[in-house]
Amino acid sequence: GEDVEQSLFLSVREGDSSVINCTYTDSSSTYLYWYKQEPGAGLQLLTYIFSNMDMKQDQRLTVLLNKKDKHLSLRIADTQTGDSAIYFCAARGASSNTGKLIFGQGTTLQVKP
Amino acid sequence: KAGVTQTPRYLIKTRGQQVTLSCSPISGHRSVSWYQQTPGQGLQFLFEYFSETQRNKGNFPGRFSGRQFSNSRSEMNVSTLELGDSALYLCASSLAPGSTDTQYFGPGTRLTVL
Repeated sequence: GEDVEQSLFLSVREGDSSVINCTYTDSSSTYLYWYKQEPGAGLQLLTYIFSNMDMKQDQRLTVLLNKKDKHLSLRIADTQTGDSAIYFCAARGASSNTGKLIFGQGTTLQVKP
Repeated sequence: KAGVTQTPRYLIKTRGQQVTLSCSPISGHRSVSWYQQTPGQGLQFLFEYFSETQRNKGNFPGRFSGRQFSNSRSEMNVSTLELGDSALYLCASSLAPGSTDTQYFGPGTRLTVL
């Protein structure tokens, strides 16, 4: 079945850029998502990208998609302490009849002041 | 527009009991999915409902069941609780399965089984 993998931890200084990486196995994944989870909270949708796009920018967030390598990244510019959280990459399968998401393990982002 | 709501937010049960969790989707959304989040297994898909029908089911035992009502609200039930069922249960809603719309998650129900 489909698998999504992420590195587990990233530490950056406030004001630096953060880059969180994700790889997925199903080349027919149609939609790829980034969610943020703060302690004790649910998942907050940050951004998403369709498989026919290479890049999407949304304010401080930039998503890059390399379909050939099945690699997705999330860049957060000017990282703030409020960005400290767990970031999940998720892929939606090829079937048009399901919204089932396959999640990575999550990357804990630590932002040091 | 109100977000996805889940009740209760916290639950403590003992082994062998059963539990029912509730999810109200965003107004106008007709698809509801459930996920289990644990430290060991991460986020795992439980099931997906649309128009009161289960459209997809994850790899969980039959003790886990769900349903959806005509107003799109959904409930999930876990019978004969085990210690390993302790988890954060997240509900997500979208317009329809497979739509271009994204899924929005609720705050979750934290279930503790003692």
